[in-house]
Amino acid sequence: RKEVEQDPGPFNVPEGATVAFNCTYSNSASQSFFWYRQDCRKEPKLLMSVYSSGNEDGRFTAQLNRASQYISLLIRDSKLSDSATYLCVVNGLDSNYQLIWGAGTKLIIKP
Amino acid sequence: GAVVSQHPSWVICKSGTSVKIECRSLDFQATTMFWYRQFPKQSLMLMATSNEGSKATYEQGVEKDKFLINHASLTLSTLTVTSAHPEDSSFYICSASAGRGGEKLFFGSGTQLSVL
Repeated sequence: RKEVEQDPGPFNVPEGATVAFNCTYSNSASQSFFWYRQDCRKEPKLLMSVYSSGNEDGRFTAQLNRASQYISLLIRDSKLSDSATYLCVVNGLDSNYQLIWGAGTKLIIKP
Repeated sequence: GAVVSQHPSWVICKSGTSVKIECRSLDFQATTMFWYRQFPKQSLMLMATSNEGSKATYEQGVEKDKFLINHASLTLSTLTVTSAHPEDSSFYICSASAGRGGEKLFFGSGTQLSVL
């Protein structure tokens, strides 16, 4: 089992729709969780951290379910510019601040 | 926000040559830098962790003699792919840490390496 697993997609979604995807992680002791966005052949950019109580940033909502070991990302009122690959990232516990990266979920917003 | 500059953005080279990639933190001191490799449709894979003034820590399966990392100052780390072969063709990304955790991790723009 991979340490961080994501549905690779692609998710084809019409503009304005709501889309959600999950990410599962294997290490129950993981403490920090993030969603990054990566455009093709570009560096990943932090979209949002995921807090235990869940958090929202504009049209984006992230949630953590420790019991089932998954995090989710919800995008409301999707825009064409939301098309990208969304990477789920889990912070390990070693002293090098290692991040464990999912392979990403590709999202395509269609007009 | 903090800026990390990575050069070159892309490089094409012949098999057997060596390629050096630079990663600079422009407005902060990065005691730790990370080097990643990403193959198409795959996740970022950490290759090594570079600490200023000491030897890099390589991940399992990454050849330290092939991927030479130098972190001579608090603002510069370099990755040299020695005797590159076509299977080394990949997207290489560096990141610099301005603190603990993923929220203080700043990425370079990446280097697309194509070995002919």
